[in-house]
Amino acid sequence: GAVVSQHPSRVICKSGTSVKIECRSLDFQATTMFWYRQFPKQSLMLMATSNEGSKATYEQGVEKDKFLINHASLTLSTLTVTSAHPEDSSFYICSAKRQGDFVFDTIYFGEGSWLTVV
Amino acid sequence: AQKVTQAQTEISVVEKEDVTLDCVYETRDTTYYLFWYKQPPSGELVFLIRRNSFDEQNEISGRYSWNFQKSTSSFNFTITASQVVDSAVYFCALSDENTGNQFYFGTGTSLTVIP
Repeated sequence: GAVVSQHPSRVICKSGTSVKIECRSLDFQATTMFWYRQFPKQSLMLMATSNEGSKATYEQGVEKDKFLINHASLTLSTLTVTSAHPEDSSFYICSAKRQGDFVFDTIYFGEGSWLTVV
Repeated sequence: AQKVTQAQTEISVVEKEDVTLDCVYETRDTTYYLFWYKQPPSGELVFLIRRNSFDEQNEISGRYSWNFQKSTSSFNFTITASQVVDSAVYFCALSDENTGNQFYFGTGTSLTVIP
């Protein structure tokens, strides 16, 4: 079963409203989570790195005031798209970094969330 | 800088044919990890394989096989005897610890298997 869960899987919102997407690690603690965006028929691009208890690190070109990321607990990160516009319509997917004993921490992806702004 | 190139944008094959999806990567790190994911129309990423940079052994899993060649910085994926259910977009990705385990994805290859 999924070890990282995203909610909602699909959301439609009106232009100008805000929408929140949740990313939860179900059976492990995740000090770091990542948010990616995928436009239709394109690749997945990293938007930001979410660190528990501190500010997110945004990639160049991503508006931090528009895409608010909160990682208040070790199992939950949220992405809020503020004042959404049709051009924000996209597939958003998160991943969570599982602390492991190995050199490489295991990364798990959520199921993704389809956002449509009308 | 890290980069993944999947030159094949779209591939169509007839069912039961073999198909190879190409992946070429760039990184300056000596320790890195390569991945293949399958993305069906529903959108979720289905993990297929992870390979670390120190392990160049080729791997076979059922109808899937992977060829990792550090000399050419390639990590190609072959599906043998393709099936209609293999139709999806396939992403090759690179990750390393120096960049905090973020993933660098290729642009994806859309595979259509025609019955």
